[in-house]
Amino acid sequence: DVKVTQSSRYLVKRTGEKVFLECVQDMDHENMFWYRQDPGLGLRLIYFSYDVKMKEKGDIPEGYSVSREKKERFSLILESASTNQTSMYLCASSLDRGVIFDTEAFFGQGTRLTVV
Amino acid sequence: AQTVTQSQPEMSVQEAETVTLSCTYDTSENNYYLFWYKQPPSRQMILVIRQEAYKQQNATENRFSVNFQKAAKSFSLKISDSQLGDTAMYFCAFIHTSGTYKYIFGTGTRLKVLA
Repeated sequence: DVKVTQSSRYLVKRTGEKVFLECVQDMDHENMFWYRQDPGLGLRLIYFSYDVKMKEKGDIPEGYSVSREKKERFSLILESASTNQTSMYLCASSLDRGVIFDTEAFFGQGTRLTVV
Repeated sequence: AQTVTQSQPEMSVQEAETVTLSCTYDTSENNYYLFWYKQPPSRQMILVIRQEAYKQQNATENRFSVNFQKAAKSFSLKISDSQLGDTAMYFCAFIHTSGTYKYIFGTGTRLKVLA
């Protein structure tokens, strides 16, 4: 089974701190994603990556950056955490559709981040 | 803009009954996949069912089936014989089969199955 693991289930950080959210997948997937989940807003894409060192902005990239130095790991960075970044963060991965026509995304368990 | 709309924020259903969750989407593309994902309380998001847009036949997975109306851009999920374990947030999503790899999600429907 595909496993997507996020480093923390719960995090509490102070305003202004630099925050790292880590995500690792073990199925050699090319694509990885970071979503933010808020009540009434659904899942909103922050960033995604389709290859090592490649990244593209999603719908709400402001205040975030990402790093993908290895294929299995995709990190989300909050450069200076603010209270409006308190949210649930979900990581996901999927196979490249050019390799096999399987477009399912597999999700991690989520990180609930609270910025105080 | 590509959007997914789930107009029912919350629903409830009695155990063993049938419930339908609605989803509409907007895209100018012709080829895409549609999904329903389930997020149980405090648990991981998992795929429930998927539908290729070029297939006219509605997808079915055990108690879960979809009603896909391409012209109307509608993709509803029917859960038959509802079970307590079906209590979850349900998200509708789609992805195009070319170009961007982005999955577009709706705002979700919180379903509660009542004993």
